[in-house]
Amino acid sequence: AQSVTQPDIHITVSEGASLELRCNYSYGATPYLFWYVQSPGQGLQLLLKYFSGDTLVQGIKGFEAEFKRSQSSFNLRKPSVHWSDAAEYFCAAYSGGGADGLTFGKGTHLIIQP
Amino acid sequence: DVKVTQSSRYLVKRTGEKVFLECVQDMDHENMFWYRQDPGLGLRLIYFSYDVKMKEKGDIPEGYSVSREKKERFSLILESASTNQTSMYLCASSLVSFVMNTEAFFGQGTRLTVV
Repeated sequence: AQSVTQPDIHITVSEGASLELRCNYSYGATPYLFWYVQSPGQGLQLLLKYFSGDTLVQGIKGFEAEFKRSQSSFNLRKPSVHWSDAAEYFCAAYSGGGADGLTFGKGTHLIIQP
Repeated sequence: DVKVTQSSRYLVKRTGEKVFLECVQDMDHENMFWYRQDPGLGLRLIYFSYDVKMKEKGDIPEGYSVSREKKERFSLILESASTNQTSMYLCASSLVSFVMNTEAFFGQGTRLTVV
């Protein structure tokens, strides 16, 4: 079955430190890949997406993600986090070919320490 | 900017009530989706619609139905609300196909509590 896995439920990072959130997918072919962020009490906002081409994708708010086919991964990174980055982060995938929606990981809750 | 608007941010309903969650999008998107979000479970697809009057079951459709009479509006219906349907409900919309290099846009969510 198609699935998206975010291995880390919670991650705590000091303000100013670098960040990497992990995402692995299990699909027959390479899916389209997305990272969304959800601030407390809010809906989801798209950070970045990968469809094809360059495997290093730049997004909003200083985030980037790297697609690695050999590892079936699409990890999200940021070189220096800010307190405002504290939120829930979701990795999602779409296999293409129909309107069957995105498959989401269970999310990673990012905590920023002062 | 694309806007997906959910009619209520918070709802409290009694067990057995019929509940309507409304969602409207203003970008003429063909696809609309209803997700349920629970802690530790992420987002799970309840239903989606790819055109007016068309609907398809997602991963967890039991206890829910949907209605799409107009392109811009997609309603989620809980025929007889139960306490295990207490959750955050998120509506989303997108263009007809993700191969068009698009994305799903989400509403702010409706937090439903069934007592």
